Amino acid sequence: DVKVTQSSRYLVKRTGEKVFLECVQDMDHENMFWYRQDPGLGLRLIYFSYDVKMKEKGDIPEGYSVSREKKERFSLILESASTNQTSMYLCASKSSYEQYFGPGTRLTVT
Amino acid sequence: AQRVTQPEKLLSVFKGAPVELKCNYSYSGSPELFWYVQYSRQRLQLLLRHISRESIKGFTADLNKGETSFHLKKPFAQEEDSAMYYCALSAGGTSYGKLTFGQGTILTVHP
Repeated sequence: DVKVTQSSRYLVKRTGEKVFLECVQDMDHENMFWYRQDPGLGLRLIYFSYDVKMKEKGDIPEGYSVSREKKERFSLILESASTNQTSMYLCASKSSYEQYFGPGTRLTVT
Repeated sequence: AQRVTQPEKLLSVFKGAPVELKCNYSYSGSPELFWYVQYSRQRLQLLLRHISRESIKGFTADLNKGETSFHLKKPFAQEEDSAMYYCALSAGGTSYGKLTFGQGTILTVHP
């Protein structure tokens, strides 16, 4: 079974803090993704990575950056958290057939 | 750029009734279409993809290129079908499998 894990289920941070969300997959997938999930907006792609140290912006990259130093780990970084980044964050990794999702991190920025 | 639209935010049916969740897309090339489902307190998971043309949990979806639609159907809804459903599109080619999602439809099946 593919396993995608995310470092935290719930996170509360203050405005202006630097936030790290981590994602680990155990299936040697090359492609990994970060989405945010908001009611009424569905899932929107923030960033993705197609190999170690390789990354590309998704549809809503502003205010975020990513890091992929090892194949199994893909980190999302909020450089200076803001209240409009309060959301559910989903990580996914992709086989040739489908994307496998992590359980999500619900981030609240106060 | 591609776009996926799910016009219904909420859909309620009774157990045993037919259900159809609508999905329309816009994309100039040949897309891959998917339905993902998220049950309560579970992670998002693939339900079906148009290429495999299979039926999963009694659900089917046919890609209609003329109407640019990929509606999800089930003839007899069950209470365990209650969930959030997302339609998604992949552009294929060098898109690395990026998915564009619709807004989602919450399906509630009443007993």
